[in-house]
Amino acid sequence: DTGVSQDPRHKITKRGQNVTFRCDPISEHNRLYWYRQTLGQGPEFLTYFQNEAQLEKSRLLSDRFSAERPKGSFSTLEIQRTEQGDSAMYLCASSLMAEQFFGPGTRLTVL
Amino acid sequence: QKEVEQDPGPLSVPEGAIVSLNCTYSNSAFQYFMWYRQYSRKGPELLMYTYSSGNKEDGRFTAQVDKSSKYISLFIRDSQPSDSATYLCAMSAYGDMRFGAGTRLTVKP
Repeated sequence: DTGVSQDPRHKITKRGQNVTFRCDPISEHNRLYWYRQTLGQGPEFLTYFQNEAQLEKSRLLSDRFSAERPKGSFSTLEIQRTEQGDSAMYLCASSLMAEQFFGPGTRLTVL
Repeated sequence: QKEVEQDPGPLSVPEGAIVSLNCTYSNSAFQYFMWYRQYSRKGPELLMYTYSSGNKEDGRFTAQVDKSSKYISLFIRDSQPSDSATYLCAMSAYGDMRFGAGTRLTVKP
């Protein structure tokens, strides 16, 4: 399967813990995006990379959130000191042009 | 006012019906328009992509963009029970996309 992959698929954590998610984009895609989706809503943009450079961050991305894309390949999204409001599906997408292709998502539950 | 407005439905139709899904938007800078299908607890799947105004057809699916009215549509012909899903419109100027809330569609056999 050469699509976008995300790991883990599910994560349950206690409030205050740190969590890290990984995204592996489609291999030739130079752009990588992170979105967050809550029940009954469309995905909300968090941040995006072109190669290794983080070009844009949403105001939704508080200082507890950090994303990296070392070497312009896979990306990680870390959430520090998780809160119950962080419970959501975290989606990664990649693109070469305008069309973005999504991974299966990581579902985070903060207890 | 949200940047992208989409009626969340739910929408229920009989098998074989023509389905019309719509979104309106406020940002005139948007020039890339997409429709995604999302099954429960899965990632969105790209269905249609349109650049600027015009129509695009792919099998049973037709996407229309009217930039003058800031209005986009997706038509599904001969709808099937397997089309039952949430349909998300999405658009961008370049880079990050803005999504509608999604319309939940059920096609009844």
